[in-house]
Amino acid sequence: KAGVTQTPRYLIKTRGQQVTLSCSPISGHRSVSWYQQTPGQGLQFLFEYFSETQRNKGNFPGRFSGRQFSNSRSEMNVSTLELGDSALYLCASSFSSGGAWQETQYFGPGTRLLVL
Amino acid sequence: KQEVTQIPAALSVPEGENLVLNCSFTDSAIYNLQWFRQDPGKGLTSLLLIQSSQREQTSGRLNASLDKSSGRSTLYIAASQPGDSATYLCAVNDNAGNMLTFGGGTRLMVKP
Repeated sequence: KAGVTQTPRYLIKTRGQQVTLSCSPISGHRSVSWYQQTPGQGLQFLFEYFSETQRNKGNFPGRFSGRQFSNSRSEMNVSTLELGDSALYLCASSFSSGGAWQETQYFGPGTRLLVL
Repeated sequence: KQEVTQIPAALSVPEGENLVLNCSFTDSAIYNLQWFRQDPGKGLTSLLLIQSSQREQTSGRLNASLDKSSGRSTLYIAASQPGDSATYLCAVNDNAGNMLTFGGGTRLMVKP
């Protein structure tokens, strides 16, 4: 079974631009979560989607948004990029059968975003 | 607000040693705790998941324990190998959903 895939793997943008990152979960997984990883702040939760609905949201500004499609694929968008948005963005998927959440999360390889 | 701390931040050991990585969390009302491994520049690989009702989980040379009441978990690695060199992260899930709170990680180097 294929793992979690993320595209693109690397991205360079300039301040003020916007960016869209994509995540395809493991087949059959319905929950997709997004995390930001930086050297200073470590891994921080952005948001989680389950059955096309945002189930949880972390403490990030409204410039960070996401969505999930009917096939469980998810995208996250960052508008008006700032230098501090440079990070590794990771997505994770889990099965979440019947809405349960006590399950292993599987992470993708990440998208490394550099904002100049 | 849940806070997760990992000690030590870095560890260097000779090959073959048994070692223990520590993780502590401030709010004991968790659903599960998960240990991950991260190689430089890569994503996270799940190692072990311990449900709140469990005391430990084992996978090969890895054994993770959970003491929910004291807010602590340990990851025991037996007979360490150079290939074990990586950053080890623990994360707790304490809400209705898949929102993980991560510790800062322990960077492990196993020398041949």
